[in-house]
Amino acid sequence: DAGVTQSPTHLIKTRGQQVTLRCSPKSGHDTVSWYQQALGQGPQFIFQYYEEEERQRGNFPDRFSGHQFPNYSSELNVNALLLGDSALYLCATRRGRETQYFGPGTRLLVL
Amino acid sequence: GQQLNQSPQSMFIQEGEDVSMNCTSSSIFNTWLWYKQDPGEGPVLLIALYKAGELTSNGRLTAQFGITRKDSFLNISASIPSDVGIYFCAGQLHRDDKIIFGKGTRLHILP
Repeated sequence: DAGVTQSPTHLIKTRGQQVTLRCSPKSGHDTVSWYQQALGQGPQFIFQYYEEEERQRGNFPDRFSGHQFPNYSSELNVNALLLGDSALYLCATRRGRETQYFGPGTRLLVL
Repeated sequence: GQQLNQSPQSMFIQEGEDVSMNCTSSSIFNTWLWYKQDPGEGPVLLIALYKAGELTSNGRLTAQFGITRKDSFLNISASIPSDVGIYFCAGQLHRDDKIIFGKGTRLHILP
């Protein structure tokens, strides 16, 4: 049983570019949340998707958007990248109200 | 917004020593969570607490949900080298709610 997978593992972009990160949930999981973890900090909640809709959103600008597909996988899109967007982006998935499992993350570096 | 204050920020201990770390919040949570994160990986759930006053163990780990719902602690007994890592406390208001993380406690074990 594969756990939560994320791609790519690492990514380098320049300021102003756009990026798409992907997450495949653990088998049976239908809810996907995305978190941003800056260096030396705890993860910060970006948003949560369930039934292909954004259900909750943290304090992030509209440059951060997402999508959930019918197979429950999800994408995180960030437009007009800033240097401060450099971070580890974590995907977490769960089934219903059960325990949430985190993926290994995508490390994004913005130059 | 809700904030979690986690202490200490880092700890240097000898192998075999016991470890204690705690977390306080400016507002109540109905669920307290403790995670461990190793380099290059996402956080892994260690212990989940769902009732005020609850004391739960997982092997050498013990955690408690404070009576006021605004604090929690984690103890690790007889530390071993693989305990090295970053420990995060986290809280949820409701089971399907976003998770709020502390900034982490970095545990180092001296040779």
